[in-house]
Amino acid sequence: EIVMTQSPATLSVSPGERATLSCRASQSVSSNLAWYQQKPGQAPRLLIYGASTRATGIPARFSGSGSGTEFTLTISSLQSEDFAVYYCQQYNNWPLAFGGGTKVEIK
Amino acid sequence: QVQLVESGGGVVQPGRSLRLSCAASGFTFSNYAMHWVRQAPGKGLEWVAIISDDGSNKYHADSVKGRFTISRDNSEDTLHLQMNSLRAEDTAVYYCARDPFKRAAAGWNYMEVWGKGTTATVSS
Repeated sequence: EIVMTQSPATLSVSPGERATLSCRASQSVSSNLAWYQQKPGQAPRLLIYGASTRATGIPARFSGSGSGTEFTLTISSLQSEDFAVYYCQQYNNWPLAFGGGTKVEIK
Repeated sequence: QVQLVESGGGVVQPGRSLRLSCAASGFTFSNYAMHWVRQAPGKGLEWVAIISDDGSNKYHADSVKGRFTISRDNSEDTLHLQMNSLRAEDTAVYYCARDPFKRAAAGWNYMEVWGKGTTATVSS
């Protein structure tokens, strides 16, 4: 079973600044990694799949990178609507697995 | 527009059963694999199960294997999750989600579209 670890647990960022979120897999997941955003009281929303491909309608300020065991989600210039919890998910092996999440909060 | 609407949640005693449903609309339901994902109060996301487009392939998380069963009715555009022998730790919001693909196979499956969720509470 692959374990996904996200860091940091909480990231305090000022609006307009850059945010860098990390996700590590306990073994290689190739590029089979997705990122999701979840706001309080809402369902998650797909941001990135294939480690670096933005989902439909996702702004260009969101970018994903990495392969193997190390992945990064970067938000280039944080907007007010970007403060949320972000989850990574591997889909290279069964069972599918999510990371524990990174909360991006206003500094 | 693509829509997924979950129902069937509620309060149930430990050891009892609950059946969740997810009504799909706005797309050809029978062309997509489907997932259940849950989120315990204040916790992160946990994948529960997946079923392929025609129902021929299913996978369940170890935490629910033998107790929960995913199924679908393509004639009714509906996904189900039969939950038996419920435990307090099954208390969660349960989301159904559409996969981008038909098949359920390693290397393919993530959650492209999500419903708003239904809450199942297991308590005596």
